[in-house]
Amino acid sequence: ETGVTQSPTHLIKTRGQQVTLRCSSQSGHNTVSWYQQALGQGPQFIFQYYREEENGRGNFPPRFSGLQFPNYSSELNVNALELDDSALYLCASSLANSGLFNEQFFGPGTRLTVL
Amino acid sequence: GENVEQHPSTLSVQEGDSAVIKCTYSDSASNYFPWYKQELGKGPQLIIDIRSNVGEKKDQRIAVTLNKTAKHFSLHITETQPEDSAVYFCAASRSGGYQKVTFGIGTKLQVIP
Repeated sequence: ETGVTQSPTHLIKTRGQQVTLRCSSQSGHNTVSWYQQALGQGPQFIFQYYREEENGRGNFPPRFSGLQFPNYSSELNVNALELDDSALYLCASSLANSGLFNEQFFGPGTRLTVL
Repeated sequence: GENVEQHPSTLSVQEGDSAVIKCTYSDSASNYFPWYKQELGKGPQLIIDIRSNVGEKKDQRIAVTLNKTAKHFSLHITETQPEDSAVYFCAASRSGGYQKVTFGIGTKLQVIP
């Protein structure tokens, strides 16, 4: 069984640029959630993808967008980067059955620094 | 929306002692409460979880209790070891159209050998 993987591990961008982060789900999982974790804080929910559609979103602006692919892997895109976007971005996968969501398993994260 | 408060923010215990971390939640509809351990440079790792139809759950040295009436849940680690040193997060979520997990701010646990 393969765990959740994310790429890249680290990334440095400048303000105003765009970034794409990638996530491969754990084998057998069909749901992907993305979280932003600022230094010294708990992860904050960005959005969730199920069956290739966004089916829930936290308090993040539209410049945060995502995709889920048929193999359940996912991308997080952030446009017009701001300094406050500097954080650890975490992907978590889970298996949804009959509308019930089970435990989420996290990847190691991508550390994004915006200069 | 859901709000999860966690305390203490830091906790130091001697090796072999017990550690207790407490959380409260605001959304009475929350029905799933996972606990995560995060080591430096890694993503959160699920260590134990509890659903709202259960009051207590144990897994070796780790136990979690849930009081739905008071909206409190707690993590208990017995016989602590240096490798237990990490940041621990409580979280709450509910079944529904999607699963939004709301995390506490985290507790940095230091086990002193």
